[in-house]
This record gives sequence, structure tokens and C-alpha cells, in this order.
Amino acid sequence: GQQLNQSPQSMFIQEGEDVSMNCTSSSIFNTWLWYKQDPGEGPVLLIALYKAGELTSNGRLTAQFGITRKDSFLNISASIPSDVGIYFCAGQAQGAQKLVFGQGTRLTINP
Amino acid sequence: DARVTQTPRHKVTEMGQEVTMRCQPILGHNTVFWYRQTMMQGLELLAYFRNRAPLDDSGMPKDRFSAEMPDATLATLKIQPSEPRDSAVYFCASGSPTGDGYTFGSGTRLTVV
Repeated sequence: GQQLNQSPQSMFIQEGEDVSMNCTSSSIFNTWLWYKQDPGEGPVLLIALYKAGELTSNGRLTAQFGITRKDSFLNISASIPSDVGIYFCAGQAQGAQKLVFGQGTRLTINP
Repeated sequence: DARVTQTPRHKVTEMGQEVTMRCQPILGHNTVFWYRQTMMQGLELLAYFRNRAPLDDSGMPKDRFSAEMPDATLATLKIQPSEPRDSAVYFCASGSPTGDGYTFGSGTRLTVV
């Protein structure tokens, strides 16, 4: 079945540092999504990507849809304490309704 | 803000008991998903519906789990009988016909003792 490999699994950084995480897939996706999950809550959509090569920003967040359609990355610039949480990538194949999720990247920020 | 509402937020039950989790999708959303989240397995898709019809429930243990949408405003996930290995956070998510991402509820944290 479809699988997403998300890395790194966890990150420990200092406040103010930039963060980069990525997802790779064994199969092609037509949509890539990035979600963030805070403790005790459900994942919240951060950025949606719909076209290969697309680069989209949302404030300090930037995400790109890989040209091969098998990968995506998320960057966070100048991290702040509220960026702490688990970040998930998700892919959606053409014609499919369901999302396939990566295993998540747990971000911890030292003040 | 439109939101997906899940009840209960927390449930502790004894092994063998029936558990029912409820979800109210966002008004106008026609796709509803049930996910289970555990530390070991991450987010697993259990079942999903489109226009209230079940499309895929292959991720769900059929002998004890059942998912239904009695109407457009309510989706239910039932476990009977529950087992300790069912302990997890269960999320409902709904999606619009335009398909631009899905909105998750806050989840039901289930503990089976």
C-alpha cells in the first residue's frame, strides 16, 4: 500500500532557528498537505499544495510540492515557542478521497 | 469558525463494553473520515463516507467495529466488544466537495481497561 516516509522523527532546536522537514513517497500524489497537531487536539491544516513544483508560504511556513510528485518539504523560519507540536505530511492520490499520513515530526523548542 | 465536533472527548470503559463515538461534520461537507491515532501506528484510516455512503472500511476490524452515518449531521463509530488494544485517540475529519483539505475534530481519547 501507499506509504509516506517523514523525517526527521523528532527535532530539538533553539528558539529562533529555522526548521526543515520532509516527506517522501513510493508513489505519486496529486495533493500534498501539511498539518500541525497540538497536544490534546486534532491535526490542523497548515498548507495545501496542488501542483508539482508549487512553492507556497503561510507566514513563516513554506512548503514545496516536489517535481517528481513523490516528495514535499516544509520549512519554518525563525521558530517561536508556539511552533512546538507534531507536524504531519499527508498525500492524496488522483481520484482518491482518503489521505495517507506520514508518521509525524515532533518539534521541541528550547527557549 | 466552522468545526468538527466529536463526543465524548474522553471515555474510560471496561473490556467487553460497547463504546459509541459520535461526530458532527462541518455543515456542507460531504466526506467524513474516521482515523485512529496511537504512538506505535500513527494516524490510521479506519473508514470513510462520501454523501453518507461508506466508501472504504478496509482499515477497520470488522468483527468488532462498525461505522455509520444515519444522517448528514451525524457519523458514529461503534466498538463492541471493546478490548484494551482499542485504547487510542479516535479522530473524525470532514471534507468539502471541493476537496481542499480536511478538518479534524478534537478527538475522543478512549481507554479500555
